[in-house]
Amino acid sequence: NAGVTQTPKFRILKIGQSMTLQCAQDMNHNYMYWYRQDPGMGLKLIYYSVGAGITDKGEVPNGYNVSRSTTEDFPLRLELAAPSQTSVYFCASSDPGLSYEQYFGPGTRLTVT
Amino acid sequence: RKEVEQDPGPFNVPEGATVAFNCTYSNSASQSFFWYRQDCRKEPKLLMSVYSSGNEDGRFTAQLNRASQYISLLIRDSKLSDSATYLCVVNKDTGGGNKLTFGTGTQLKVEL
Repeated sequence: NAGVTQTPKFRILKIGQSMTLQCAQDMNHNYMYWYRQDPGMGLKLIYYSVGAGITDKGEVPNGYNVSRSTTEDFPLRLELAAPSQTSVYFCASSDPGLSYEQYFGPGTRLTVT
Repeated sequence: RKEVEQDPGPFNVPEGATVAFNCTYSNSASQSFFWYRQDCRKEPKLLMSVYSSGNEDGRFTAQLNRASQYISLLIRDSKLSDSATYLCVVNKDTGGGNKLTFGTGTQLKVEL
């Protein structure tokens, strides 16, 4: 089991560029999440999904979009990148039927300049 | 008021010391409670769940006081490898996904 994988590990974007952060999990978890973590701050929920075809906004969704076409994949799209989106992005998955533990990927460090 | 509040530290302690972290949460409807550990520039990982009866895992003891909306983590005989940031995490099942609310974390540095 690879668990939760994220690509890329690092990325530098110019203001106004777009990109997609990839996230995949091989644990057959229905629930998946995207968080951002700014320095010295807690994790903030951007979007989440309770199953393929179902997504919903979290606490800080502005500037982001997601899709969930399969159970395994949950990509996060940044359109028109802004310096305020400089952060570390974590993807996570869980199976609430078993436990509330969320399993995190290694993160993507994004800098927008 | 933040949903989950923690003392950010850092707590600098000598190896072998006992250290305690505290956390308060504001939403009385919160259902589940956890401590996650986050090493520098790494992802958070579950350290332990927290139950009303208290629970222990080796050198780690977690306690929950629902009446005071207070969670604690005690680390005994601390090791250099315990140096990390400890995140207090609270769950409220909204029926649309189990959403975790994370505290900002308490940084622990264990020194020789």
